[in-house]
Amino acid sequence: AQKITQTQPGMFVQEKEAVTLDCTYDTSDQSYGLFWYKQPSSGEMIFLIYQGSYDEQNATEGRYSLNFQKARKSANLVISASQLGDSAMYFCAMREGQSNAGNMLTFGGGTRLMVKP
Amino acid sequence: GAVVSQHPSWVICKSGTSVKIECRSLDFQATTMFWYRQFPKQSLMLMATSNEGSKATYEQGVEKDKFLINHASLTLSTLTVTSAHPEDSSFYICSARPFFGVEKTQYFGPGTRLLVL
Repeated sequence: AQKITQTQPGMFVQEKEAVTLDCTYDTSDQSYGLFWYKQPSSGEMIFLIYQGSYDEQNATEGRYSLNFQKARKSANLVISASQLGDSAMYFCAMREGQSNAGNMLTFGGGTRLMVKP
Repeated sequence: GAVVSQHPSWVICKSGTSVKIECRSLDFQATTMFWYRQFPKQSLMLMATSNEGSKATYEQGVEKDKFLINHASLTLSTLTVTSAHPEDSSFYICSARPFFGVEKTQYFGPGTRLLVL
């Protein structure tokens, strides 16, 4: 079974509007971390936001927020006020286990976001 | 802070050549570095986890004799693709986890595009 599932291969959003990118995950660990990365066409992976499994508040970083629904095992990324520069691939990832362990990240298949002017 | 560099950014080589890719954490020490591979329009796939001073841990299906990893210091890991073939053409990305603090994420290098002719 997939550990990280991103069901939207591609999405369009109008500039200045908000958009939600879906991510569901599967783990039996109690302690885990969820991440979102942005990958523009240049290929670099840019860290956007992090949510720990024990964090009670949804994470926010500027225009990015993470809608964490633990019971549903979902960690959707919300981008507010989309900008043309937001056009990129977005990957959801999970780290299972304690944060200080050398655990690997498992990535979802990605969502390509295209912002329309 | 938390900058990771990779060198070279582009490699074109003939089949049978060995290619070395360097991954450096520029402003922090990393006990653990990760090597990923990404084919076009696909997600990142972890190849191996590299810990300083010890042998790398390879993911299932990754040939350790073909993809040699050396993590000689807390700021440098190298991936050598030995006797490269066209099917090894891909985008290789490294990431590094900082040594100190409750660090939540891996920091990624800009990637290396390998084309084997």
